[in-house]
Amino acid sequence: AQKITQTQPGMFVQEKEAVTLDCTYDTSDPSYGLFWYKQPSSGEMIFLIYQGSYDQQNATEGRYSLNFQKARKSANLVISASQLGDSAMYFCAMSLNTGTASKLTFGTGTRLQVTL
Amino acid sequence: DVKVTQSSRYLVKRTGEKVFLECVQDMDHENMFWYRQDPGLGLRLIYFSYDVKMKEKGDIPEGYSVSREKKERFSLILESASTNQTSMYLCASSFNIGTSGSTDTQYFGPGTRLTVL
Repeated sequence: AQKITQTQPGMFVQEKEAVTLDCTYDTSDPSYGLFWYKQPSSGEMIFLIYQGSYDQQNATEGRYSLNFQKARKSANLVISASQLGDSAMYFCAMSLNTGTASKLTFGTGTRLQVTL
Repeated sequence: DVKVTQSSRYLVKRTGEKVFLECVQDMDHENMFWYRQDPGLGLRLIYFSYDVKMKEKGDIPEGYSVSREKKERFSLILESASTNQTSMYLCASSFNIGTSGSTDTQYFGPGTRLTVL
């Protein structure tokens, strides 16, 4: 069975500093995708970044990068130059193709607080 | 831009009422999903649909049903609402090309906070 683990319930980071949010996963499927979503206090889940299991390079999207270590089954999110607007819940997720549709399995999330 | 809308941001219902949560997407996505989100538990999949009139149970389907009569619309139905169904409900949609990839990305609506009294 697939599982996503986020071990940090909460994190603090100072504005303009970089922060790493941890995510480990478990799957026996050789083909999978890894995702990070941001959920501000308004509630909407915002897609941030995607990494495929066969991708050779780490994904980057602006200030977001995904540190993909396949052998360790980790997919940590790195946010560079943190901003106050980055304060939110962050969820790691993994896709599983069921044959009819790809479903996502989510971790329990990490709450990031950016301070002045 | 992908747009997923949900009929209500906040909803208050009484125990035993029949509740309809509506979700509409405008990107011609084949797949649509309903999740509930509770503190400390992350997002849990209730039901999903991969085509019109086609549906599959997710991880926690008990107490819920769904309807997809048109491609763009996916409804979640609580036949007889109970207090333990008080939660945040999130709808999402994605493409389906049959293989894993970035098209698995799900796009979410703003959520409905349902309170059952």
